Amino acid sequence: QKEVEQDPGPLSVPEGAIVSLNCTYSNSAFQYFMWYRQYSRKGPELLMYTYSSGNKEDGRFTAQVDKSSKYISLFIRDSQPSDSATYLCAMSGNNDMRFGAGTRLTVKP
Amino acid sequence: DAGITQSPRYKITETGRQVTLMCHQTWSHSYMFWYRQDLGHGLRLIYYSAAADITDKGEVPDGYVVSRSKTENFPLTLESATRSQTSVYFCASSEVQMNTEAFFGQGTRLTVV
Repeated sequence: QKEVEQDPGPLSVPEGAIVSLNCTYSNSAFQYFMWYRQYSRKGPELLMYTYSSGNKEDGRFTAQVDKSSKYISLFIRDSQPSDSATYLCAMSGNNDMRFGAGTRLTVKP
Repeated sequence: DAGITQSPRYKITETGRQVTLMCHQTWSHSYMFWYRQDLGHGLRLIYYSAAADITDKGEVPDGYVVSRSKTENFPLTLESATRSQTSVYFCASSEVQMNTEAFFGQGTRLTVV
């Protein structure tokens, strides 16, 4: 079993839809939880990070962490074609950091 | 230009050859990282460095060597390239340990034939 599981998709939604992306993990030592966005042939860029459990909102993006279930989510409201990218979850703690495999999202106009 | 740059962007090499991928950052971040990205595996940490002359292994270090004589540079060397090392390699830097806010380079696409 991988330390971080993420559905690779692909996920295709119409413009304006609410998108839900998820990851599960097994290492209870993880304390920091991140979401990166990666456009084709580019390096990942940090979207959001959260410390421990709870919600964090930034514009159209909301990150949720449920440490009791070892489950994290990223919600994108009013999705736009420019949101089309691969989204990678990441988590770190106890001198270890792991990434999910990434979910490829396409938002169709 | 400020940021983190990798070179070359694309590289084709033969099995058994030594190849070095370069990484340079202008922020003076303490931490630097090398990842490889493969389909189905996501990003996997190869090596990281907490400061000049301090390096440590990540998840998949075998077949790779790193050095960090200067804070801004973190080259990755494949001593004897194998086909399994065909991948996209990303360098990253961070002020904070384990890159909670990491900045990534554009990547080097390496093909070993």
